[in-house]
Parts: sequence; structure tokens; C-alpha cells
Amino acid sequence: DTAVSQTPKYLVTQMGNDKSIKCEQNLGHDTMYWYKQDSKKFLKIMFSYNNKELIINETVPNRFSPKSPDKAHLNLHINSLELGDSAVYFCASSPQGSSTDTQYFGPGTRLTVL
Amino acid sequence: AQSVTQLGSHVSVSEGALVLLRCNYSSSVPPYLFWYVQYPNQGLQLLLKYTSAATLVKGINGFEAEFKKSETSFHLTKPSAHMSDAAEYFCAVSKGGGNKLTFGTGTQLKVEL
Repeated sequence: DTAVSQTPKYLVTQMGNDKSIKCEQNLGHDTMYWYKQDSKKFLKIMFSYNNKELIINETVPNRFSPKSPDKAHLNLHINSLELGDSAVYFCASSPQGSSTDTQYFGPGTRLTVL
Repeated sequence: AQSVTQLGSHVSVSEGALVLLRCNYSSSVPPYLFWYVQYPNQGLQLLLKYTSAATLVKGINGFEAEFKKSETSFHLTKPSAHMSDAAEYFCAVSKGGGNKLTFGTGTQLKVEL
């Protein structure tokens, strides 16, 4: 059973389009995250939700909007896609969002904006 | 602000040789430190973490790391490299208030025959 799953795995789209990435975890965790990994493999947190409540909102363009319908799901919607949005996006979850928690990562979604 | 620095973006070792991947942290308070591994085209997986208990931390796949406050370091080691260890390794520090992980720039480990 996959612990943290993301769909789609690959996403190729044109500039200006709107797209969504879905994330689901079956670990019963309270906290979920979105990370962006750029072409140099640098990882940066974008958002964190705890029990459907936004906890972390880094300096991310407001074209990015996370949505958490329940604590097992955290989706990422991106409006008006730009070339610079091309990256691998990782979803993760952790039990409670405490500083010592292990974060469990999904397999990633590779977004390519043409 | 808390951060980590990984020295060496690429490390190459022979199979059976010692693996040493370096990580130094910058923190005004005792940090919580993590090592994650990323195999090609996969997500990250926790190797080990330091949470203020024992300073020598043992992880999966034979890896361990020692927290040295005097050197502000948390280097990752493995006595004998295996081909399957070839991957990208990330050191990270956790900041409270939502468990925000700040990652280093990563070290790609290559294992040669």
C-alpha cells in the first residue's frame, strides 16, 4: 500500500494554463506539506497544513493555491503557469507537525511548462 | 535563521570504502537535524534524525551520524559503501511551528567498482 501518493506523476502543459496536482496519504497523519524541487535539486517548502488548517505559507506566488478537503488530502492548484514553475513537486505528511516528526514523501510530480 | 550547509555537491567513493557526507548547521538554539536520501526518480526517505537524545544516531542501511555541538556538524557516515547507496543525500534542519524543514543543497554520492 502506498503511504503518500501523488497524481499525476508527470504533467506537461503550456504557459498560461491552470493545473492541479493531487496528494493523498493513508498514514493517518495530521500534517501535510508541499515542497518544490528545482532543476538543481534544491528543495524548498511551499505550504503546510495541519488538520485542514494552513500552518506554513512560504513566499509563494498567489497563483499557487493549496486545498485540503480533509486531513488525508492536500491538493495543489496552479493558475497561469509560467516557465519558472517547471520543477518536481513533492507532497509529504507527518504525524503531528512537531519539530521532531519524520516526514514521509510522495514519489513526486514532474511539471514541465512549455 | 536556521540553516544547513552541505560541503561537496558530488562525492565519489569505491565500493567497500568509507562514506563521509558533510553537514554543518547554523542555529541559535539546539537544532533537530535530519538526513534524507533520494534515489533516482523517487521521493525522499528518512535515513536518520537527531532529536536531542543520543549524539550518535544510527539509521537505516548501515548509516550513522554524530551530532557535534562544538563543531556545529552532523556528518553522515557508512563504513563500507555499496553500489545501492548511489543517490542524492540531503541534510535538513527542523524549525518549530509546523515542522518546517530547511534542506541543504544536497550531495550526490557515486559508488564505483
